[in-house]
Amino acid sequence: EADIYQTPRYLVIGTGKKITLECSQTMGHDKMYWYQQDPGMELHLIHYSYGVNSTEKGDLSSESTVSRIRTEHFPLTLESARPSHTSQYLCASSEGEVGDMKTQYFGPGTRLLVL
Amino acid sequence: RKEVEQDPGPFNVPEGATVAFNCTYSNSASQSFFWYRQDCRKEPKLLMSVYSSGNEDGRFTAQLNRASQYISLLIRDSKLSDSATYLCVVNGLASGGSYIPTFGRGTSLIVHP
Repeated sequence: EADIYQTPRYLVIGTGKKITLECSQTMGHDKMYWYQQDPGMELHLIHYSYGVNSTEKGDLSSESTVSRIRTEHFPLTLESARPSHTSQYLCASSEGEVGDMKTQYFGPGTRLLVL
Repeated sequence: RKEVEQDPGPFNVPEGATVAFNCTYSNSASQSFFWYRQDCRKEPKLLMSVYSSGNEDGRFTAQLNRASQYISLLIRDSKLSDSATYLCVVNGLASGGSYIPTFGRGTSLIVHP
């Protein structure tokens, strides 16, 4: 089993609220990722990080922001939630150098519903 | 055109059948390739990496054809527990010089008794 955790697992929240989705891993991986996945659809990369103080936007535009202050922690924040943000958010981590790509380990995901 | 394309299925097969999934990718600079498995309402988990020479893991065989930009997964002697969505993942060069993974939409497999 991968040592990567996400909280909360489920979140129902009203429009306009600020939310932070937590992701942490204990494997010492430098690379971390956030994906968004709607039911029956592909995963879309929205943010990634190669290490502390490194964050990049993925191929899907997102209104969320991320931070990487500690290796093990990669939280995602939505300043003002909207119904269009309703989705599943999956966090992942992997080993490897910047130009390399190793196996990704996924957390269990957070299912977000914005009313 | 999507960067990674898969036949969404579903593939509905009896136990014991052999089934093959295909995946094509558009980024010729892609470096590494994987098959992941995702069960309903669960996170993806690595099934196997795909190597240029082809590789096998038990009942699963993966092939890569760089010239045709094509990846395949063969499952022999299907089990009920193989029912899941199989995701093709390609690590491609993004703007800025970094490699990021791109997931296909997945192929759904249903194995019935």
